[in-house]
Amino acid sequence: GAVVSQHPSRVICKSGTSVKIECRSLDFQATTMFWYRQFPKKSLMLMATSNEGSKATYEQGVEKDKFLINHASLTLSTLTVTSAHPEDSSFYICSARGGDSPLHFGNGTRLTVT
Amino acid sequence: EDQVTQSPEALRLQEGESSSLNCSYTVSGLRGLFWYRQDPGKGPEFLFTLYSAGEEKEKERLKATLTKKESFLHITAPKPEDSATYLCAVRSTGNQFYFGTGTSLTVIP
Repeated sequence: GAVVSQHPSRVICKSGTSVKIECRSLDFQATTMFWYRQFPKKSLMLMATSNEGSKATYEQGVEKDKFLINHASLTLSTLTVTSAHPEDSSFYICSARGGDSPLHFGNGTRLTVT
Repeated sequence: EDQVTQSPEALRLQEGESSSLNCSYTVSGLRGLFWYRQDPGKGPEFLFTLYSAGEEKEKERLKATLTKKESFLHITAPKPEDSATYLCAVRSTGNQFYFGTGTSLTVIP
């Protein structure tokens, strides 16, 4: 089946620093990738949608200057949390889709900002 | 308004006690309904896609069904390893995905 690899799985950083999270589709070309944030015992909250080679589309209330998304190739998208603060601590998940296929998810990144 | 509602929010079953999870949806044109399993600290794992009313899919102890308004995930004789959160999502003709809030299933040995 389709595999999406997300790295790192856990990261701890100091307040004010930036963190980059990678999302790779390993065995298919992902025309569209999605980034989510998930709070404890809550469902996925879509942050942004990215299509290869174009600018990401951010959901309402998501700061595009804080959460930088780059979808440079059909197999890689990155999310950079800039100038992270403790309130950015969360579980971030990416998903990828090629054509009409279902969404396939990465295993998430637990970000802790101290 | 397009939306997905899952019930119950949480479900506790004895091992072997069959039950069903519900996913009700309203969407402007359905291009697919998806079921996922999510374990704590992990990303959702794809289970099934259903495209049209009357369609059914099965995998081990799980069976998903679809009508024009809802989908059911039937769990037959569940085992403790089936404990997880089950998420439902729909894709609209506008290519938007809408997720439910999930059902947290606990199967007690």
